[in-house]
Order: sequence, then C-alpha cells, then structure tokens
Amino acid sequence: QKEVEQNSGPLSVPEGAIASLNCTYSDRGSQSFFWYRQYSGKSPELIMSIYSNGDKEDGRFTAQLNKASQYVSLLIRDSQPSDSATYLCAVKGGSYIPTFGRGTSLIVHP
Amino acid sequence: DAGVTQSPTHLIKTRGQQVTLRCSPISGHKSVSWYQQVLGQGPQFIFQYYEKEERGRGNFPDRFSARQFPNYSSELNVNALLLGDSALYLCASSLAPGLAGTDTQYFGPGTRLTVL
Repeated sequence: QKEVEQNSGPLSVPEGAIASLNCTYSDRGSQSFFWYRQYSGKSPELIMSIYSNGDKEDGRFTAQLNKASQYVSLLIRDSQPSDSATYLCAVKGGSYIPTFGRGTSLIVHP
Repeated sequence: DAGVTQSPTHLIKTRGQQVTLRCSPISGHKSVSWYQQVLGQGPQFIFQYYEKEERGRGNFPDRFSARQFPNYSSELNVNALLLGDSALYLCASSLAPGLAGTDTQYFGPGTRLTVL
C-alpha cells in the first residue's frame, strides 16, 4: 500500500522564521509531488507541484525533492501568522490517483 | 477564470437517506476526482473520472457512486447514509490525470455533509 507520511505537528515557529515541513513516501515509482495549504474548515489550496529532483521556488515557498531518499519538503521563508494552516503533501505514481498525507499543522506566532 | 465549483455548500441529512453532490470543473479540465475528508485526516480518494470514464475507485462501499457528464461536470451519490459519512466532500479537477505536468489537481470549496 502506498503511504505518505507527515509529522502531524503542530510545528510552531516565530514570525519571520523559516518553517520546514517534511514528507516521506513509500512508492519508489512516484513521479508527481504536490503541496497544498488548508485553512481550518476550508478546502485545500495548491501551493506548488514538483516533478524533478532539486529545488523549486515560488515566492516565499521552496519545494525540495529527493527521489533517491524518497522525501519532499516545503520551506516557507519569512513566515507570517497568515501562514498558520495545515499543509498537505500529495504524491502520485504512474496511476491516476494521488495519495495524501495527514497533513502538518503549522502555527506562526507573532 | 472560475475555479472548481461545488453544490451545495452544506447539507444535513438523516441516517438512511440519499444525497447527491455536484461539481463543475475548471473550464478545459476533463478529469474530476472526489475525496472524503474527516477532521484530522488528509483527503481520502473516492472516485476519479477522466473523459467520462471511471479511472479509479477508492476503498469505499457500493453505497457510493458517481458519474461524469458530457460537459465534464460530475455527481457523487451516497445511498443509505450512515453517521460515519459525515465529512467534507471535496471535488478536484485536472487537465489530464495521467501525465506529469498536467495532473495538478485544483480543489473546489467542498460540501460539508452532516448525517444525524
């Protein structure tokens, strides 16, 4: 069974710090990787997708993928209280269906 | 551009009833997926449709069914509702689910179903 593991947290960081969120997966054939942000009571919102090893940056967000070690991470620079949310990692292999982790709760305190 | 839309936003039903949830994908997207999310968990996959064909089914009972229409909108039906069916039901659309780069899913606002 394909598994996606995330530390449920909460991860607490001060405003302005870098938040680092990690995700590991079991399927070595995984090809597509996604990070979503979900505020309480709302639906998931795409932050970014990543397909190749290395870093991908979008504004304050950087996704890092290491297929050999089977992990994908999300860095949030200059964290703001508005970044407080649950961050979901999703991984898709050769099938059509992505598998989601349980999410990591992030709290950014002023 | 309009995103994924879902209706209704909220729904309250009693045990044993039936419910139909609706989803319209982003214009140009041909794939729709349905997920169930309970508090504290990630979305659990229920169904995926692409080009009006079922491409995947999650580990849900036969009380759950879905279909995709020629305009790529979709319905999720749940029969004989149980208390445990109370959850946020999410619809997500993508261009083409099987190809890296076109398989990014965008979620609708969800339907909050409460079964009493």
